[in-house]
Amino acid sequence: DAKTTQPTSMDCAEGRAANLPCNHSTISGNEYVYWYRQIHSQGPQYIIHGLKNNETNEMASLIITEDRKSSTLILPHATLRDTAVYYCIERTGTASKLTFGTGTRLQVTL
Amino acid sequence: DAGITQSPRYKITETGRQVTLMCHQTWSHSYMFWYRQDLGHGLRLIYYSAAADITDKGEVPDGYVVSRSKTENFPLTLESATRSQTSVYFCASNGPSGRRYNEQFFGPGTRLTVL
Repeated sequence: DAKTTQPTSMDCAEGRAANLPCNHSTISGNEYVYWYRQIHSQGPQYIIHGLKNNETNEMASLIITEDRKSSTLILPHATLRDTAVYYCIERTGTASKLTFGTGTRLQVTL
Repeated sequence: DAGITQSPRYKITETGRQVTLMCHQTWSHSYMFWYRQDLGHGLRLIYYSAAADITDKGEVPDGYVVSRSKTENFPLTLESATRSQTSVYFCASNGPSGRRYNEQFFGPGTRLTVL
């Protein structure tokens, strides 16, 4: 079973920041937090990952709490194309398998 | 750009028939994975492979067989299809090195219906 918990759904107005929370209270010291998203029925797409420091790339920012028990994915300026299911995943190593939960369905509206 | 492809994209078959889903990647990634996604649920791992001729079971392997004779191909076979195997199947790959080695790349999926 997935070890992360996420809200089932969230709404966000276009142009505003979307903040997606994730709880991973049992995360191990060598486990990274990964975020993927799945748009409609396409294959999942990698967004970002981190261990303990905050991370930013061209798609999003990842804020990890100091105790590493939770994190927040931030889409700074959400667009309609960001409507998707977002998965927060704990992962060890660089090539190990992913364990998906049910994710958060983000709906971006006009 | 190189990629990961799956075939067929859509398949309808009958209970008891053998079905093989194909997955091909052009990056020479060592790791390949098969997931299934049932309607309204997250993905579940069926089998994965760390290299050619090395495969291992995932969360839901029963009823499936895999092989990996070449690095670029990872076919998934349903030996005797059942209705419960109606699902969308995703293949994925990632490599142990390179700039984007942390990313697991997913194919477009195969939608399988077992009647």
